[in-house]
Amino acid sequence: AQSVTQPDIHITVSEGASLELRCNYSYGATPYLFWYVQSPGQGLQLLLKYFSGDTLVQGIKGFEAEFKRSQSSFNLRKPSVHWSDAAEYFCAVGTSGTYKYIFGTGTRLKVLA
Amino acid sequence: GAGVSQSPRYKVAKRGQDVALRCDPISGHVSLFWYQQALGQGPEFLTYFQNEAQLDKSGLPSDRFFAERPEGSVSTLKIQRTQQEDSAVYLCASSGSGGRLIEQYFGPGTRLTVT
Repeated sequence: AQSVTQPDIHITVSEGASLELRCNYSYGATPYLFWYVQSPGQGLQLLLKYFSGDTLVQGIKGFEAEFKRSQSSFNLRKPSVHWSDAAEYFCAVGTSGTYKYIFGTGTRLKVLA
Repeated sequence: GAGVSQSPRYKVAKRGQDVALRCDPISGHVSLFWYQQALGQGPEFLTYFQNEAQLDKSGLPSDRFFAERPEGSVSTLKIQRTQQEDSAVYLCASSGSGGRLIEQYFGPGTRLTVT
């Protein structure tokens, strides 16, 4: 069965520190991978996506993610976190020819001033 | 419109009441999706429309849940005889493609609380 695992429920980092949020997926076909961010009371905003090609993808707000097929991972990174990055982050997976997303349970990021 | 809009943003219903949640997708978007997001969880797929056709309703948790999109634009998710376990945020998303998976654009959601 398809699944997405975000092992870290909560992460706290200091402003200016680097960030890595983990995402592992279980999928038989070539996955399409997404990272979304959700601020309190807001909908999901797409940060970046991977369909094919270069395994390091750049997104908005200075985020990037790397697809590692051998590890079934798609970790999200940011070199220097800003206080405004505090939010919940969701990894999602889909596949070519379908329309469904499978979401992870999310990682809540707290940023210390 | 500029983005996906949903109304109401918050809804409190007494157990047993019927509720209707509205979604206005991005103008011209063919595909529309409903998700349910329980507290502390990721969104879970409920149903999918391509234009006015409901192509997949496999995620609807019970026959109390019903969705429609009669003219291929605005959609309504109706929940009859609400139960406490229906309390969640209901997210609507739209996509410009006709079925192919590309990014979906999400609305702000409707937070439903059943008391």
